[in-house]
Amino acid sequence: EVQLVESGGGLVQPGGSLRLSCAASGFTFSSYWMSWVRQAPGKGLEWVANINQDGSETYYVDSVKGRFTISRDNAKISLYLQMNSLRAEDTAVYYCARGRRPSVVVGVYMDVWGKGTTVTVSS
Amino acid sequence: EIVLTQSPGTLSLSPGERATLSCRASQSVSSSYLAWYQQKLGQAPRLLIYGASSRATGIPDRFSGSGSGTDFTLTISRLEPEDFAVYYCQQYGSSHMYTFGQGTKLEIK
Repeated sequence: EVQLVESGGGLVQPGGSLRLSCAASGFTFSSYWMSWVRQAPGKGLEWVANINQDGSETYYVDSVKGRFTISRDNAKISLYLQMNSLRAEDTAVYYCARGRRPSVVVGVYMDVWGKGTTVTVSS
Repeated sequence: EIVLTQSPGTLSLSPGERATLSCRASQSVSSSYLAWYQQKLGQAPRLLIYGASSRATGIPDRFSGSGSGTDFTLTISRLEPEDFAVYYCQQYGSSHMYTFGQGTKLEIK
């Protein structure tokens, strides 16, 4: 069974840091783009970051550039999101998702999603 | 940045009825690279449609997608009780600049 399981969420003070992890199983992790998508309480979905199969390409939404870092360890079959300088507006459920890219000139859609991990930034 | 506007914000229908959800883009979506997701309360999103009209694995054929350019539609031919949820469109034709629509809530009338 294809599965993604996020962990690492919690309560953190503004300006603090947190590292999210996503453990993958049931598919060849190293063959897929991976994404982080977040959802603030009562709000819609917001794409956060993408990483390609070998980690050589990463992309971010403007609001997290310079603060968040997406990475992966294909040997450990895991995806990560290092979040620094956290702000109240980063409060959200963070989903890990598998990306499918139909062409090298376009982006990815997300075909498998984890259940999410909750990040709360508050003093 | 391509802005996606979904309408209506809320759609109230009864089981057995047909649902038509709209997603309009602020500029043309390259090669119909548009996806639809379903999200039930307290659950993760689930991919329904990609490439504007291709159903994802395991998605019932009552779900269909259509459209091109700036106007896209998700149609549910005959609503089942489990279809009442929030639906999001997402464009991925603009390389690595991903946007979602704000969502359409499909509720039981």
